[in-house]
Amino acid sequence: GENVEQHPSTLSVQEGDSAVIKCTYSDSASNYFPWYKQELGKGPQLIIDIRSNVGEKKDQRIAVTLNKTAKHFSLHITETQPEDSAVYFCAATSLEHGSSNTGKLIFGQGTTLQVKP
Amino acid sequence: DGGITQSPKYLFRKEGQNVTLSCEQNLNHDAMYWYRQDPGQGLRLIYYSQIVNDFQKGDIAEGYSVSREKKESFPLTVTSAQKNPTAFYLCASTNRTSGTYEQYFGPGTRLTVT
Repeated sequence: GENVEQHPSTLSVQEGDSAVIKCTYSDSASNYFPWYKQELGKGPQLIIDIRSNVGEKKDQRIAVTLNKTAKHFSLHITETQPEDSAVYFCAATSLEHGSSNTGKLIFGQGTTLQVKP
Repeated sequence: DGGITQSPKYLFRKEGQNVTLSCEQNLNHDAMYWYRQDPGQGLRLIYYSQIVNDFQKGDIAEGYSVSREKKESFPLTVTSAQKNPTAFYLCASTNRTSGTYEQYFGPGTRLTVT
């Protein structure tokens, strides 16, 4: 089955700097890679996702890149702000059509990002 | 407001007791999921259900049971057979056929068993 490894486990940056979190996956059939942000005491929330037919996707200060050959994908946060401090999870799955799609996600271990003012 | 609710937020039980965690959604999603979160281990799938009256084991189903009698509800029972039940439990849902694949999470229930 799929296995997702995430690094680093903790990351501390100064406000305004960039932060990069990396994930690798094992199943070449995986074709959907979401990133979730979890604030203290809350459930995770989707912040960006990418499908295997594109190599990069941006949404304001966050971007995700995907290298299918190497089976790794990364989250990039630019101009970090204290409110970016949270736990970030990457995930992977193989999406199928219609009722065959279970929607199951395999998550990485999480990265605790601390942005220092 | 549409969303997922989990109750209670904190739950304390004595060892040997079964306990049921509630998960309700009003998003009209077909699929629902239960995850367990432990420090440094990410989210691990316990059970999932794609339609009413049907559910499948996830990666760590031992010691847990679920039911899906209604589309809106997916309660999780942590039985006395679960060796390390103390954890943060998250429920999620998604609409598998919508073309978007986002899983919406509830706020979680922190279970402490002593």
